[in-house]
Amino acid sequence: NFMLTQPHSVSESPGRTVTISCTGSSGSIASNYVQWYQQRPGSVPITVIYEDNQRPSGVPDRFSGSIDRSSNSASLTISGLKTEDEAAYYCQSYDSSNHERVFGGGTKLTVL
Amino acid sequence: QVQLVQSGAEVKEPGASVKVSCKASGDFFTSYAMHWVRQAPGQRLEWMGWINAGNGNTKYSQRFQGRVTITRDTSASTVYMELSSLRSEDTAVYYCARFGPHYYFDYWGQGTLVTVSS
Repeated sequence: NFMLTQPHSVSESPGRTVTISCTGSSGSIASNYVQWYQQRPGSVPITVIYEDNQRPSGVPDRFSGSIDRSSNSASLTISGLKTEDEAAYYCQSYDSSNHERVFGGGTKLTVL
Repeated sequence: QVQLVQSGAEVKEPGASVKVSCKASGDFFTSYAMHWVRQAPGQRLEWMGWINAGNGNTKYSQRFQGRVTITRDTSASTVYMELSSLRSEDTAVYYCARFGPHYYFDYWGQGTLVTVSS
């Protein structure tokens, strides 16, 4: 089955840029769209990126997404970090082999 | 304005079943799929399954196959998720989420905490 692997945690200083990776276990991660969800402690997840690199309305352009076919991975980049960006970030895609939605393990972003 | 309102917290004994509801407001109910996602304490989001609210077709995660049933009541704009043979590892917050026109979970319920304990 298709799996998505993320780093457990990352940390960066306010104002800097951070990139969170999401690596597909098999096949091509580019075959299906990747979404990114932000979840602050005790809160419901919200979408920050859909269809690999699209931002829902209301999400600042500091958030961007991309796909790297050579490493079979997706990335979420957050520039101009703010303390309010501190949260867990989950990538999500689709397993074509069994028609199931798949989440990555989540990455805890600390802004300090 | 789309809103998904879930039923309240539940405490169940091992071996029991739980049924969580998710009531949708707005005129979209039969036009979209509704999914269920759960999150055990401190753990990742975990996809459980979905229902086509229009025709009632379902698809479940292999991990929960045989234990989960998702249904809907179109007259009440409500979807239900029932999980049976509960064990302590099923203690989690259960979310319903709408699968929107751009193929992502665009609206989420507030979550329902299910605690399995003897």
